[in-house]
Amino acid sequence: GQNIDQPTEMTATEGAIVQINCTYQTSGFNGLFWYQQHAGEAPTFLSYNVLDGLEEKGRFSSFLSRSKGYSYLLLKELQMKDSASYLCAVLRGNAGNMLTFGGGTRLMVKP
Amino acid sequence: ETGVTQTPRHLVMGMTNKKSLKCEQHLGHNAMYWYKQSAKKPLELMFVYSLEERVENNSVPSRFSPECPNSSHLFLHLHTLQPEDSALYLCASSQDHGTGVTEAFFGQGTRLTVV
Repeated sequence: GQNIDQPTEMTATEGAIVQINCTYQTSGFNGLFWYQQHAGEAPTFLSYNVLDGLEEKGRFSSFLSRSKGYSYLLLKELQMKDSASYLCAVLRGNAGNMLTFGGGTRLMVKP
Repeated sequence: ETGVTQTPRHLVMGMTNKKSLKCEQHLGHNAMYWYKQSAKKPLELMFVYSLEERVENNSVPSRFSPECPNSSHLFLHLHTLQPEDSALYLCASSQDHGTGVTEAFFGQGTRLTVV
């Protein structure tokens, strides 16, 4: 079975740093994706991790520990436009991009 | 147009109606997907097509019927739906290399309301 957990909501202040955690228990693992979804819009790709460690991409970084079944998304220098839902998704299988999603974390950035 | 386009953006249908959702991707990808996003629930994978062949059907009720006539187009035919089927239906595409991984690109979805 697949079980992916992330906090439902988080609040942070503009300019600050926030870390969104994701834990997973899955049968089969071929990597972990983070997507951003603004209200009423399509999810957009942020990052992909398949090996342990930190991947940095501008203000956003993503970390993976396969042995712990744990990932986090780190957002630095928060901006108001970062208010969105952040979706953690585990890739399973090799044929097709079959993603199992967590429930998403709704981040609210306040002035 | 670029990316993944879904039509209509909003749809209201009665339980006895038949309607179809359309998805078109302009990215040259070879795999397409239907996902369902309900309030308070995670995105759920419904159907996967790779090279126009269905590779997965996640035990979706038969009142949902997908069709993939070519690698650029994907349809979801709806009939005899229930109010609990009201949700955002998202289409996505990706390039399936078989051994490699690429991210999925999502359309903006069709907001479906069943009355």
